[in-house]
Amino acid sequence: GNSVTQMEGPVTLSEEAFLTINCTYTATGYPSLFWYVQYPGEGLQLLLKATKADDKGSNKGFEATYRKETTSFHLEKGSVQVSDSAVYFCALLRTGAGKSTFGDGTTLTVKP
Amino acid sequence: EAGVAQSPRYKIIEKRQSVAFWCNPISGHATLYWYQQILGQGPKLLIQFQNNGVVDDSQLPKDRFSAERLKGVDSTLKIQPAKLEDSAVYLCASSSYLAYEQYFGPGTRLTVT
Repeated sequence: GNSVTQMEGPVTLSEEAFLTINCTYTATGYPSLFWYVQYPGEGLQLLLKATKADDKGSNKGFEATYRKETTSFHLEKGSVQVSDSAVYFCALLRTGAGKSTFGDGTTLTVKP
Repeated sequence: EAGVAQSPRYKIIEKRQSVAFWCNPISGHATLYWYQQILGQGPKLLIQFQNNGVVDDSQLPKDRFSAERLKGVDSTLKIQPAKLEDSAVYLCASSSYLAYEQYFGPGTRLTVT
């Protein structure tokens, strides 16, 4: 079956540090890949997406590249801010079937 | 554009009682999802509707959970009887098509005592 594995948290960084949150997946077919973010007290929001191999999704300074050869979709940001403190979820959606699978989330805390 | 609406936001019940959650998706979205999110874990898909038909309910505990989307718009998820391990946030999401990104509601936090 499908699965998503995220790096374990929590992750604590200083402001302006470089961020990487690892995500690897197992899936049949050709899934679409997503990163969602959940700010404290709020619902899940789509951060970025990629629908095919080698696609790069980007939003708000965050980027992730769909790597089929390594089955990965790592989230990166060059310079984090305190406002980026949240829980980040990697997810896959198997195209055509609609089955969605989420990772367990990685909590990021950014200190001033 | 209004987002996904859910009610209630919070619910506390005793074990063996029943509870129902309501979701109204974004207008025009054909696909509706119900997820269970236990503290410290990612959302787990319970059931997925395409219009008023069920696409996937393989992880729905059918002995106690039921869901319906009779007119292909809003949906209700019911638990009867509730167990302690059902304490979680129940999330509703919708998308315009099976393979498109999902938009989430604020969730209902259920506590079973």
